[in-house]
Amino acid sequence: KNEVEQSPQNLTAQEGEFITINCSYSVGISALHWLQQHPGGGIVSLFMLSSGKKKHGRLIATINIQEKHSSLHITASHPRDSAVYICAVSREYGNKLVFGAGTILRVKS
Amino acid sequence: GAGVSQSPRYKVAKRGQDVALRCDPISGHVSLFWYQQALGQGPEFLTYFQNEAQLDKSGLPSDRFFAERPEGSVSTLKIQRTQQEDSAVYLCASSSQPLSPEAFFGQGTRLTVV
Repeated sequence: KNEVEQSPQNLTAQEGEFITINCSYSVGISALHWLQQHPGGGIVSLFMLSSGKKKHGRLIATINIQEKHSSLHITASHPRDSAVYICAVSREYGNKLVFGAGTILRVKS
Repeated sequence: GAGVSQSPRYKVAKRGQDVALRCDPISGHVSLFWYQQALGQGPEFLTYFQNEAQLDKSGLPSDRFFAERPEGSVSTLKIQRTQQEDSAVYLCASSSQPLSPEAFFGQGTRLTVV
């Protein structure tokens, strides 16, 4: 079993829909990261969480440490949100990241 | 520089050829990581440097893979006698301090071995 599991693997949404991507992990962590990767592009860090909730524009990330679960929400989705969204955890601060397989999101207009 | 820079962006190598991939981290960043991302999968850890010291190379898949960071800034990932299974995107990430939880990623190098 992978240490970091994401769901769904693929997600297609209509423009304007509310989107949720889930991440579960099985190890103790110091931080959880949500990352965005566009085709042919590098990885952009969206959020880093160790507790609670963070919001940036239309993106919201939450984490439940007791349940070892995090969610990434996108409100009022737009075709430019189409990308791969990756959850990653670090077991110690500054240590290597362990990644989920990613969720491929396609938002249709 | 403004961000992590990797070169080349794309590399096609014939099977058996040696390749060298370069990473220029953000100036002054102490920590540098290399990751390998196979098609359709999440990245996987290869190796970690703190300044010029390679503190963790547990993710290197074979002795054909070698990484260095001789002056604690630019790093090179070398793959000898490339094989088809080496085809992947190679990502570099850096962070400002050893205990910093933040990581800044480069655009990656897409290696295709034919």
